[in-house]
Amino acid sequence: GAVVSQHPSWVICKSGTSVKIECRSLDFQATTMFWYRQFPKQSLMLMATSNEGSKATYEQGVEKDKFLINHASLTLSTLTVTSAHPEDSSFYICSAGGQGYQPQHFGDGTRLSIL
Amino acid sequence: QKEVEQDPGPLSVPEGAIVSLNCTYSNSAFQYFMWYRQYSRKGPELLMYTYSSGNKEDGRFTAQVDKSSKYISLFIRDSQPSDSATYLCAMSAGGNQFYFGTGTSLTVIP
Repeated sequence: GAVVSQHPSWVICKSGTSVKIECRSLDFQATTMFWYRQFPKQSLMLMATSNEGSKATYEQGVEKDKFLINHASLTLSTLTVTSAHPEDSSFYICSAGGQGYQPQHFGDGTRLSIL
Repeated sequence: QKEVEQDPGPLSVPEGAIVSLNCTYSNSAFQYFMWYRQYSRKGPELLMYTYSSGNKEDGRFTAQVDKSSKYISLFIRDSQPSDSATYLCAMSAGGNQFYFGTGTSLTVIP
């Protein structure tokens, strides 16, 4: 149980393109989902917390207009990197759960490469 | 002071060894403790989840929580090459806020 699917796993695109990443909880409902960014050999950096049906809460220093998050249903959250540039290249990971006493369950991540 | 401290390693052990991974924390309100395993270019996978103090065992893995010392441990018995990964500790006081360690890189040598 507690499976989180993230898609795509790897995307390469040109600078200026917008990229959408999907995060789905397959066998449970997730009121809360989290989006992280991870640089090589570094720990997880929380970007934002999204709650179903409401606006996401962004961490300090994360541009809301750059990283658009939508959590329209209890099983799906999306992260759109708008007008991506090479500095946005990174490993993006979503997680779901984490409410109350529940642990977070992570997707397999999306490797984003902007040329 | 960071909320959670974890030695990044790297840690290298021979196959079959007992591995001890540790985290310390500063917030006495933390009650929920997790260990995740992350393989290269994959998302973290939940290994162990414990509440409050005590031990929890699952196969070759044992998680220990000592709230009085603000110290948690993950022990891996009979370590295997497939255990080679980065291990992240995480903790929470409840609600939506989680605090992660920086991860310990482990290599088990055949």
